[in-house]
Amino acid sequence: GENVEQHPSTLSVQEGDSAVIKCTYSDSASNYFPWYKQELGKRPQLIIDIRSNVGEKKDQRIAVTLNKTAKHFSLHITETQPEDSAVYFCAATPTGTASKLTFGTGTRLQVTL
Amino acid sequence: DGGITQSPKYLFRKEGQNVTLSCEQNLNHDAMYWYRQDPGQGLRLIYYSQIVNDFQKGDIAEGYSVSREKKESFPLTVTSAQKNPTAFYLCATQGVTDTQYFGPGTRLTVL
Repeated sequence: GENVEQHPSTLSVQEGDSAVIKCTYSDSASNYFPWYKQELGKRPQLIIDIRSNVGEKKDQRIAVTLNKTAKHFSLHITETQPEDSAVYFCAATPTGTASKLTFGTGTRLQVTL
Repeated sequence: DGGITQSPKYLFRKEGQNVTLSCEQNLNHDAMYWYRQDPGQGLRLIYYSQIVNDFQKGDIAEGYSVSREKKESFPLTVTSAQKNPTAFYLCATQGVTDTQYFGPGTRLTVL
């Protein structure tokens, strides 16, 4: 089955700096890679996703890059703000009628003033 | 997200008891999922269902059971066979796109 590794487990940045979270996956059949943000005690919420036919996707301050050859994908957050503080999860799955997402173990991002 | 409800929000179980967690959706999504989240860990798939009256085991199905009698509902029973059930349980749904949407979760504690 799929195995997703996520690094770092914790990340502290100053407000305004950039943050980068990296994930690697093992199953070459995976072609859908979402990123979720989870605030304390809340549900995970999708913030951005990418499919294997695309190398990069951007949405305002958030971007995701994918390297299929190396089987890794990364989340980039620019101009970080205190409200970006949360736990971020990457995931991977082959697409289909039911996507069996395999999640990374999460990165706790702390944006300090 | 607002179309997925989970109840109760908090649940306490005595050892040896079975408990059932509710997940209801009004999004008309075919696929539904149950995940378990432990502190400091990612989400692990317990069971999933692509269609009414059909479901498959995920990665950690032992000690859990589900049913899918209606499209809108996918209840999860935590049985006494699950020896360490204290966790945050999340239900998710998926429609015609690849995106999974999560409910607000149920926090289960064993007394």
